[in-house]
Parts: sequence; structure tokens; C-alpha cells
Amino acid sequence: SAVISQKPSRDICQRGTSLTIQCQVDSQVTMMFWYRQQPGQSLTLIATANQGSEATYESGFVIDKFPISRPNLTFSTLTVSNMSPEDSSIYLCSDVSLSEEAFFGQGTRLTVV
Amino acid sequence: GQNIDQPTEMTATEGAIVQINCTYQTSGFNGLFWYQQHAGEAPTFLSYNVLDGLEEKGRFSSFLSRSKGYSYLLLKELQMKDSASYLCASMDSNYQLIWGAGTKLIIKP
Repeated sequence: SAVISQKPSRDICQRGTSLTIQCQVDSQVTMMFWYRQQPGQSLTLIATANQGSEATYESGFVIDKFPISRPNLTFSTLTVSNMSPEDSSIYLCSDVSLSEEAFFGQGTRLTVV
Repeated sequence: GQNIDQPTEMTATEGAIVQINCTYQTSGFNGLFWYQQHAGEAPTFLSYNVLDGLEEKGRFSSFLSRSKGYSYLLLKELQMKDSASYLCASMDSNYQLIWGAGTKLIIKP
């Protein structure tokens, strides 16, 4: 079973700044997924990160706002850029490595003030 | 299109049984997941079904009918700590999870 370590677990940021969230997996995984969960809502997929290629973004999300890095098969970062209060959310990374269980990092609770 | 439907909220009594239904429509199918999520926390994995039938795991069981695009999560001997949101998700042919909006389960004494 893959273990995903995500950090930071929470942060309070000033509007206009950027925050980079890191996810480290303890085994190699082909794809990693970044989700956002706004208060009271379900998970929304931001993008799919594949190693060695650019991330694939879902409708409504763009690379300039949410740049993603995937330098190897065990690590990925998501940056929330030029933050506004509307970006206050829980951000989650997930691993679907062709095993039967999708695992999540612990989540990053972001508050933008 | 891809769609997952589950009830928004359910209420049940401590010690009772509750069944949370989920219907799905996805492009291809690689399994149906159930997750539990307490407020402010990340979802935690409960079950995965890819074949028809019932999978039992302690107090929780999950059922799948692929021909009907239907699954349910059955929770027995409900405890107050089972109060949470329960998320149904279908994995499509690209191994992406398509999420339902979640069912908020309220347990009353």
C-alpha cells in the first residue's frame, strides 16, 4: 500500500502570494492527481500529473494559476499562485497506481486572507 | 456524460443499519470506490468493488451491480463516530476517479 506524505498540512497566506504544496509517495506511481475541495463541496480534480510530461488540467483550471511539477515517479508539487480568498480550500494529492486503492495525502488546508 | 448520483443527506439512529446508494455513469469502468470523510479531514478509503456482488468488511459492506450502474454502502451497528460524509467514486477507463458530491450521514442517539 502506497503512503503519501503531503505538506504543509495547513497554512494561512496573504492574498497575492503563492504557496507550493508537496506530495511524496513511498513507491513509484505512474499518475498523481491533484484535487481541491471547497467548503461543503465534493472533490474537484485540478489536474493529472504524469512524470516526464506536462500536467493535464481540467476545465476551469490553468497552468499559470496552478503550476505542477512531477520530476520523478515519487514526488509532485502543486503551486497555488497569486492567491485570493476564493482559493481557500483543502488541496489533496492522490495516487492511483493501478492498484485497487486510491490513496490521499493528508491534505493541505489553505486559508487566504 | 459522466455522472455520479448519491443522496445529499441521510439520518440514522445509533445501533441501526443504513444503506447509502450510488448510481454511476462513466466512460469505461475500472471499479467503484467508497470513502469516508470527516469534516476538515482527507477522505479515507473504505471499499473497492470491481466485480458484481457484496464485499463485507467488518461493520461496512459494499455492493456493486455493473449492469445497473449501481452500488450501495451498508453500515451496520451504527456508532456516533460514523457521522461523516460518504463519497462514492467511479474509476473510468483512464483510471480517473469521478466523484459523487457525497452523502452526509447524521447519527442520532
